[in-house]
Amino acid sequence: KQEVTQIPAALSVPEGENLVLNCSFTDSAIYNLQWFRQDPGKGLTSLLLIQSSQREQTSGRLNASLDKSSGRSTLYIAASQPGDSATYLCAVQGSQGNLIFGKGTKLSVKP
Amino acid sequence: GAVVSQHPSWVICKSGTSVKIECRSLDFQATTMFWYRQFPKQSLMLMATSNEGSKATYEQGVEKDKFLINHASLTLSTLTVTSAHPEDSSFYICSARDELAASYEQFFGPGTRLTVL
Repeated sequence: KQEVTQIPAALSVPEGENLVLNCSFTDSAIYNLQWFRQDPGKGLTSLLLIQSSQREQTSGRLNASLDKSSGRSTLYIAASQPGDSATYLCAVQGSQGNLIFGKGTKLSVKP
Repeated sequence: GAVVSQHPSWVICKSGTSVKIECRSLDFQATTMFWYRQFPKQSLMLMATSNEGSKATYEQGVEKDKFLINHASLTLSTLTVTSAHPEDSSFYICSARDELAASYEQFFGPGTRLTVL
């Protein structure tokens, strides 16, 4: 059974810092991996999707990497801003098509 | 990008009543839609996979007679919480997969907050 773990559970940084969020999964047989952002009481915003054949994806200040063989992904946020404060969720998609989510990392960027 | 809507965005109901939540893919067709539930400070847990024109597939521990799913068209799936009780209070989120996209990316609705009194 696939399990997704995110470390750390919470992170507080001053504005301007670069930071890394970690995600690990137990079954390397995945179709893709997605990173999402969730603001309190809101739905999900897709940030990046990495196909199983890809190593990384970039969008603006965000860069996500995938090492499928070791079951790891990282989300790198450059020059963090207070508006980046949210919970970041990692999810892997398996053969059944559904997504399996980690518990998320709650990020707080202080001005 | 692909857009998925949910209605209502929030609902408050009395214990014992039924609540219907709609999930629509606005600009693409979705043979498959997924229903997730999120309790406070928890992550999303898959409840069921909704397939257009056939019965939904429920995850272990999810009562199919309590959470009725209907996927009558390629753009609409509904989740009905029957005889709702306070323990059903949660955030319900649907997602839809664009069948024409090679990436199999899922697009999520904004969620429905259900509060059962």
